[in-house]
Amino acid sequence: GDSVTQMEGPVTLSEEAFLTINCTYTATGYPSLFWYVQYPGEGLQLLLKATKADDKGSNKGFEATYRKETTSFHLEKGSVQVSDSAVYFCALITFRGQAGTALIFGKGTTLSVSS
Amino acid sequence: ETGVTQTPRHLVMGMTNKKSLKCEQHLGHNAMYWYKQSAKKPLELMFVYNFKEQTENNSVPSRFSPECPNSSHLFLHLHTLQPEDSALYLCASSLQGRGGTDTQYFGPGTRLTVL
Repeated sequence: GDSVTQMEGPVTLSEEAFLTINCTYTATGYPSLFWYVQYPGEGLQLLLKATKADDKGSNKGFEATYRKETTSFHLEKGSVQVSDSAVYFCALITFRGQAGTALIFGKGTTLSVSS
Repeated sequence: ETGVTQTPRHLVMGMTNKKSLKCEQHLGHNAMYWYKQSAKKPLELMFVYNFKEQTENNSVPSRFSPECPNSSHLFLHLHTLQPEDSALYLCASSLQGRGGTDTQYFGPGTRLTVL
């Protein structure tokens, strides 16, 4: 079945460092891909998405490119801030026939940024 | 109010209690979802409703009973829960529940503790 694999955390960085969180997926066809972020004590917020191969999603300085050839959707940010400390989830959308669609999530990667 | 709201934000209950979680979306969406987020597991899809009809029950125990009276409201009725049911319960909604670009938006979650 469809699945998402994220790099294990936690990731600990200093402010202004470069961030990469790896995400690879297994899926039938070419699903839409998402990154969600969860700040402490909150629900999930959509960070960015890409709906087809070579699409680049971007938001708040974060970027991720849908790579069909490597089945990857790595999250990057050039200069992280303390306020970026959160848990990041990679996800894909999967079809369940009559049941419609559902998200398959990776296990999440905790990012901790210090000043 | 905007987006997806959930009440209560925190709930503590005994194993013999009956309680309900409420979710409301103000986005004009037609699909709603319940997810469970436990400390040691990835996000798990529990139920899906499309146009008020339940289209997915992901092998959830019967002590969890969903209800969707209209496209804007979703409930999760709880009874005779177990301590291992303690988790963050997240509600989400999306425009149509079908289609490869359907994006889900999440509420802040209800933190449930079962004593």
